[in-house]
Amino acid sequence: QSVLTQPPSASGTPGQRVTISCSGSSSNIGSNTVNWYQQLPGTAPKLLIYSNNQRPSGVPDRFSGSKSGTSASLAISGLQSEDEADYYCAAWDDSLNGPYVVFGGGTKLTVL
Amino acid sequence: QVQLQESGPGLVKPSETLSLTCAVSGYSISSGYYWGWIRQPPGKGLEWIGSIYHSGSTYYNPSLKSRVTISVDTSKNQFSLKLSSVTAADTAVYYCARAVDRRSWFDPWGQGTLVTVSS
Repeated sequence: QSVLTQPPSASGTPGQRVTISCSGSSSNIGSNTVNWYQQLPGTAPKLLIYSNNQRPSGVPDRFSGSKSGTSASLAISGLQSEDEADYYCAAWDDSLNGPYVVFGGGTKLTVL
Repeated sequence: QVQLQESGPGLVKPSETLSLTCAVSGYSISSGYYWGWIRQPPGKGLEWIGSIYHSGSTYYNPSLKSRVTISVDTSKNQFSLKLSSVTAADTAVYYCARAVDRRSWFDPWGQGTLVTVSS
């Protein structure tokens, strides 16, 4: 059971816009920034979005992130076949046991 | 650019200690930044294990804290993970990664190494 909640799967057709949600609580997303990672099949995770909505150099502007309250979202516009991957949200958690990094369970994106 | 490479035994017996090393190239660990370990059981999600600053300050996932030790060797430009009393539940791909500060994101990541716990 992951601390951050993501839908296990999402799908879309090429060219479509897809969003992936990430739900947390006041101790994590509500008080810290959210980062997103993309994991292509058989590879290591790669930073996709940091500090809620910042893209590292080299990440296409088709990818965007947002945060509101205790939830965050990753949006992918102009969906492409190479976007088929697992996507994970992450944030620091300042609960009684913390602080520590928590991840969502991951969302498998399928491009139909 | 900075690159990270994990190494260590791919098979560890139950109750023994898992030991992994992450070699860093393209950047001197002694110059700064934080260095972390994250794992991923087969077919499952990511779990942060812990991180270390170049000075040696460490912080761990509370759920693993009693079994984890992360250390840094600036002379070899590498940092290490030890996880004691392992069970089958510790079978996972173990990744090392860099963080720009204590509470930031991880980037880049190593390619990962699979460790199986089995007799």
